[in-house]
Amino acid sequence: NAGVTQTPKFQVLKTGQSMTLQCAQDMNHNSMYWYRQDPGMGLRLIYYSASEGTTDKGEVPNGYNVSRLNKREFSLRLESAAPSQTSVYFCASSEGRSSVFALYGYTFGSGTRLTVV
Amino acid sequence: SNSVKQTGQITVSEGASVTMNCTYTSTGYPTLFWYVEYPSKPLQLLQRETMENSKNFGGGNIKDKNSPIVKYSVQVSDSAVYYCLLGCSGANSKLTFGKGITLSVRP
Repeated sequence: NAGVTQTPKFQVLKTGQSMTLQCAQDMNHNSMYWYRQDPGMGLRLIYYSASEGTTDKGEVPNGYNVSRLNKREFSLRLESAAPSQTSVYFCASSEGRSSVFALYGYTFGSGTRLTVV
Repeated sequence: SNSVKQTGQITVSEGASVTMNCTYTSTGYPTLFWYVEYPSKPLQLLQRETMENSKNFGGGNIKDKNSPIVKYSVQVSDSAVYYCLLGCSGANSKLTFGKGITLSVRP
């Protein structure tokens, strides 16, 4: 099925550990995004990639790095996890190369539930 | 600045109709999206309203800074979190999420 695939679905890390969240889309979309979802905060943009080879910071980039490996894949890395990074992480993609805003909407992955203890 | 306001929680009985409001302020040209989140499922696009396709969804209209979504004859399976997203094109294109409305439908 066409869509956005995120791995893993669940992860528990100890403070200070590192990990990479993977995201892949098979819709030939140009733009990809990483969001985090926290209670009462809605979804907040961490990083985005308007096209292959480019990445930009979003609203809450501190503590994260990203890589746009190719057109399909956009990974999110936590170098030294902190309890404040406990959250649900969503990857999304969209057509076009319009930076943050996708005029025709987004396709989201199922999310990765990350707990840092 | 851009902002989206949604009420937090709505509880209704099965078979009822429910209007979920989304009011906004924007500095650019707006597009309003509604997405629904079911447990362990990807957010799904429900509705997209622009100035061009603007309609009175449940008495509201994007031109009036209000873009509600209406669900008729709701079922227990409609229980979910509904998010309103504001996209603004222009020099400072930006996407703003509302905090979501939790809809609970009683049997």
